[in-house]
Amino acid sequence: GNSVTQMEGPVTLSEEAFLTINCTYTATGYPSLFWYVQYPGEGLQLLLKATKADDKGSNKGFEATYRKETTSFHLEKGSVQVSDSAVYFCALSHSGGYQKVTFGTGTKLQVIP
Amino acid sequence: DGGITQSPKYLFRKEGQNVTLSCEQNLNHDAMYWYRQDPGQGLRLIYYSQIVNDFQKGDIAEGYSVSREKKESFPLTVTSAQKNPTAFYLCASSIDQTGRTDTQYFGPGTRLTVL
Repeated sequence: GNSVTQMEGPVTLSEEAFLTINCTYTATGYPSLFWYVQYPGEGLQLLLKATKADDKGSNKGFEATYRKETTSFHLEKGSVQVSDSAVYFCALSHSGGYQKVTFGTGTKLQVIP
Repeated sequence: DGGITQSPKYLFRKEGQNVTLSCEQNLNHDAMYWYRQDPGQGLRLIYYSQIVNDFQKGDIAEGYSVSREKKESFPLTVTSAQKNPTAFYLCASSIDQTGRTDTQYFGPGTRLTVL
């Protein structure tokens, strides 16, 4: 079946450091790929998405490229801030029919001043 | 502002009691979902509904029930049959596009604790 694998956290970085959170997936067909962010005590918010191979999603300085050849959708940011501290979830949607979404287990990011 | 509201934010329940979690959206979305989130785990789908008066079981539906009498509302009942109900519950909605999934919009969640 479909699955999403994320790197385990927590990831601890100093402010202004470069961020990479790895995400790989297994899916049939051509899924859409998403990154969601969850701040403490809140629900998830969409950070960015890509709907086809080689698409790049970007938002708030974060980027991720849909790589079909490596089945990956790694999240990157050039310079993190303390306010980026949150849990990040990679997710994919199943193509065709009902819109089921499979989420990864989440990666907690801690940014220290 | 459009969005999804969940209430209450915190809920305490004694063992053996049923409890209902509220979820309301004013985004005019067709599809609605309930997820359960446990520490260190991803989101697991409990139930989903693509249209009023219709809903389907997700991956962990045992011990839960839902209704979808109105487009805006999708309440979740955690019954006494749910063996380990303490968790963070998230409601979401999305535009229903056949064959393609759109973004899911999430509510702020309800934290349920069984005493």
